[in-house]
Amino acid sequence: DAKTTQPPSMDCAEGRAANLPCNHSTISGNEYVYWYRQIHSQGPQYIIHGLKNNETNEMASLIITEDRKSSTLILPHATLRDTAVYYCIVRVRSGTYKYIFGTGTRLKVLA
Amino acid sequence: SQTIHQWPATLVQPVGSPLSLECTVEGTSNPNLYWYRQAAGRGLQLLFYSVGIGQISSEVPQNLSASRPQDRQFILSSKKLLLSDSGFYLCAWSSGLAGGETQYFGPGTRLLVL
Repeated sequence: DAKTTQPPSMDCAEGRAANLPCNHSTISGNEYVYWYRQIHSQGPQYIIHGLKNNETNEMASLIITEDRKSSTLILPHATLRDTAVYYCIVRVRSGTYKYIFGTGTRLKVLA
Repeated sequence: SQTIHQWPATLVQPVGSPLSLECTVEGTSNPNLYWYRQAAGRGLQLLFYSVGIGQISSEVPQNLSASRPQDRQFILSSKKLLLSDSGFYLCAWSSGLAGGETQYFGPGTRLLVL
């Protein structure tokens, strides 16, 4: 029962910004949004997370709307190595912290 | 720094055979540990999690079991594999401390049951 909705695939030109959208309209007030990416045949790699404020790190920026019903992951200068499946995840608390994975967005960076 | 190991990397097993996948974490103590399964072309499904030695919580009924015999060791097992057990199995850890709930994933084990 994924709590997020993402487009199944996107293309982005190398060197351009990649903007990956995510809808999480049923998110609760204390649930965080996490982003991971998975390159084929590898374990998911943590990118960034946030609650209500925009966040930035060395990999990406996360923009969360004021009503928290959607967010956008921004890769500022996409490279061929950013080609991967990107997962937007809501972290819920039920016994422990759990990630509810959807099917993600397959991003293809084009040369 | 912390590292997480999984082995084997790949495994081909006949239906009805037993299974044992191992996950170990280095560089941290008392982590929360997780087992996920990923079917082909799908997202990850949480199977088990553990907040301490001997403490296992199961998320979905299935043909698998998990054990945590040591603080930084997490084992996924089956007595008799089914075809539907094929998939990519991922172990993850988090610190379990407040503010440290980010999960970090291992390299995974690809299991093919024939």
